[in-house]
Amino acid sequence: EADIYQTPRYLVIGTGKKITLECSQTMGHDKMYWYQQDPGMELHLIHYSYGVNSTEKGDLSSESTVSRIRTEHFPLTLESARPSHTSQYLCASSSLGGGNTEAFFGQGTRLTVV
Amino acid sequence: GENVEQHPSTLSVQEGDSAVIKCTYSDSASNYFPWYKQELGKGPQLIIDIRSNVGEKKDQRIAVTLNKTAKHFSLHITETQPEDSAVYFCAASIGGKLIFGQGTELSVKP
Repeated sequence: EADIYQTPRYLVIGTGKKITLECSQTMGHDKMYWYQQDPGMELHLIHYSYGVNSTEKGDLSSESTVSRIRTEHFPLTLESARPSHTSQYLCASSSLGGGNTEAFFGQGTRLTVV
Repeated sequence: GENVEQHPSTLSVQEGDSAVIKCTYSDSASNYFPWYKQELGKGPQLIIDIRSNVGEKKDQRIAVTLNKTAKHFSLHITETQPEDSAVYFCAASIGGKLIFGQGTELSVKP
């Protein structure tokens, strides 16, 4: 069982609200990622980080922002939620380990904006 | 741009039959190709991976093959069981990022 946790699991929130999705891992991994998973299943990379104070935008443009102040924590924030942000958000982490190693996923946060 | 194409999007097989899922990738510099299984309500979990210096890897009923020249790789599941029913994703490491295929929903009928 991977030691990566996302909270909350489910969130229903009104338009215009600010929200933060939490992601924490206890494996000491340097790399962390946020994926958005649409109803058609596809996983889209929206943010990633190589370590503390490192954040990069992924391939899918997103209005969300991320921060990486501590190795174990990689929160995602939406300043003003909209119905178009309704989706499943998955956090993952991996070790740097020379480049390419297994990514461990959290259970996801299902966000609904009404 | 960098992308990974996965086929088919849905696959239905009879219990005991084999299932094959295929992926192609665009970046010839990719050198790590994992496969993930996602069950309902859970995050994806790694089931097998292969690196570019290997052509084939097997783990019990699951095998993966890689053709670097053609830039495609495949997942083979033999003797399928109902508990193999899930969504399967291929991925390729491109520029330090994991880029996923579109997913295949596998249904194994008893």
